[in-house]
Amino acid sequence: EAGVAQSPRYKIIEKRQSVAFWCNPISGHATLYWYQQILGQGPKLLIQFQNNGVVDDSQLPKDRFSAERLKGVDSTLKIQPAKLEDSAVYLCASSTGQENTEAFFGQGTRLTVV
Amino acid sequence: GNSVTQMEGPVTLSEEAFLTINCTYTATGYPSLFWYVQYPGEGLQLLLKATKADDKGSNKGFEATYRKETTSFHLEKGSVQVSDSAVYFCALKFQGAQKLVFGQGTRLTINP
Repeated sequence: EAGVAQSPRYKIIEKRQSVAFWCNPISGHATLYWYQQILGQGPKLLIQFQNNGVVDDSQLPKDRFSAERLKGVDSTLKIQPAKLEDSAVYLCASSTGQENTEAFFGQGTRLTVV
Repeated sequence: GNSVTQMEGPVTLSEEAFLTINCTYTATGYPSLFWYVQYPGEGLQLLLKATKADDKGSNKGFEATYRKETTSFHLEKGSVQVSDSAVYFCALKFQGAQKLVFGQGTRLTINP
C-alpha cells in the first residue's frame, strides 16, 4: 500500500514570496491533516479536512496561509507572503476517519525562508 | 482545553538501561492515545496506541498503558538499544472530531 506522498521535499524561498505544498493521502482515507513542525517542537495542527470539508482550521494563520482539498483527495497548502518564522517542516497526514485509528504521515516538506 | 504534556528532554541513557518517558494529558471524553517515533532523517511513524482505559499498547519492546485515573500514557522499555535513538511524541485523538494533538517531543539518545 502506498503511503502519504508529499512534494517538494525541500524548498528555499525569500521572505514575502509565495510557496505551495502538495499532499496525496493514502487511497480511501477521508481525513487529511496539515501540521507545522518547527525545529525542536512537536507538530502543530494547521488544518484538518474530512473529505473535502474543513473540520478544524483554528490555528491556521488565515491572513497568509490557505489550504484546499478538491474532490476530497489531494490537498495543497499555500503560504503567501512567507515570513521568516514560517521556516519549518510541513507535514501531511491521513487517516480513515474512523474512531480510534491512527494517522499516517508523509516525509514532510522542509521550508526555509531567508 | 485538550492538551498533551511530555517529559522534557533530551534524555541520554546507556545501552540496556530502563527507559521511561512520561506523558500526561488533559481531555474531555475518552480520547485515543498514541506514541509516535521520528528516527533521524525519517518521517513520523506510529509506535503504539491504546484506545480505552487500561489498554496496553506494545511494539518493538516498548509498552504504554492508558491510565484514565492519572490521565497518563507513559512509555517504557526494559532494555534500550542504540537503534532506539530518536524523538518520541505522545499524541491524543479527540473522541468524535478526530483532531490529533501532539506533545512537544522527547529526544532520546542511547550510548553504546
